[in-house]
Amino acid sequence: DAGVTQSPTHLIKTRGQQVTLRCSPKSGHDTVSWYQQALGQGPQFIFQYYEEEERQRGNFPDRFSGHQFPNYSSELNVNALLLGDSALYLCASSPILDSLNTEAFFGQGTRLTVV
Amino acid sequence: AQKVTQAQTEISVVEKEDVTLDCVYETRDTTYYLFWYKQPPSGELVFLIRRNSFDEQNEISGRYSWNFQKSTSSFNFTITASQVVDSAVYFCALSAPNQAGTALIFGKGTTLSVSS
Repeated sequence: DAGVTQSPTHLIKTRGQQVTLRCSPKSGHDTVSWYQQALGQGPQFIFQYYEEEERQRGNFPDRFSGHQFPNYSSELNVNALLLGDSALYLCASSPILDSLNTEAFFGQGTRLTVV
Repeated sequence: AQKVTQAQTEISVVEKEDVTLDCVYETRDTTYYLFWYKQPPSGELVFLIRRNSFDEQNEISGRYSWNFQKSTSSFNFTITASQVVDSAVYFCALSAPNQAGTALIFGKGTTLSVSS
């Protein structure tokens, strides 16, 4: 059973460019969340998708947007990249939004470097 | 506002020592969940343990144990007889599920180094 898979694993972009990161959830999971982890910090919640809609959003600007597809996979898009967007981007999936036993499984992340 | 504080930034121990990682949380919700995750150098966050706000019973699972005290808003995690493979960054996290979602709020992490 494949866990959460993310692509690409590493990415280098130039300031001002746009980037798209991809995530396939663990089999049986229908909720996908994205987190940003700066170097030496804990992950910070960006947003969560369920039933192809953004259900919850953290304190991130509109440059960060996402999408969830009918097969539950998800994309994270970041526009007008800034140097400060350099981070490890983690995708997490979980089964059934609001489940009392919700447990998030994480992918290995995409390391984004903005130069 | 919800917040998780891990005051210990780095801990170094020698193999076979016991080590306790501290976590203090803040939330106004009455229903919430607390987690510990481990992040090895590969980057993937690995789930370790979960506790809900209604169950303060402390348990032991193999070499792992935890101490949940609502009175002090603490959720400490202990590794008994540490091993080199335990070296990683450990994160405490809080989730207060609501109609909107189930976002995890993480602390800044504690880096554990176990030497042989």
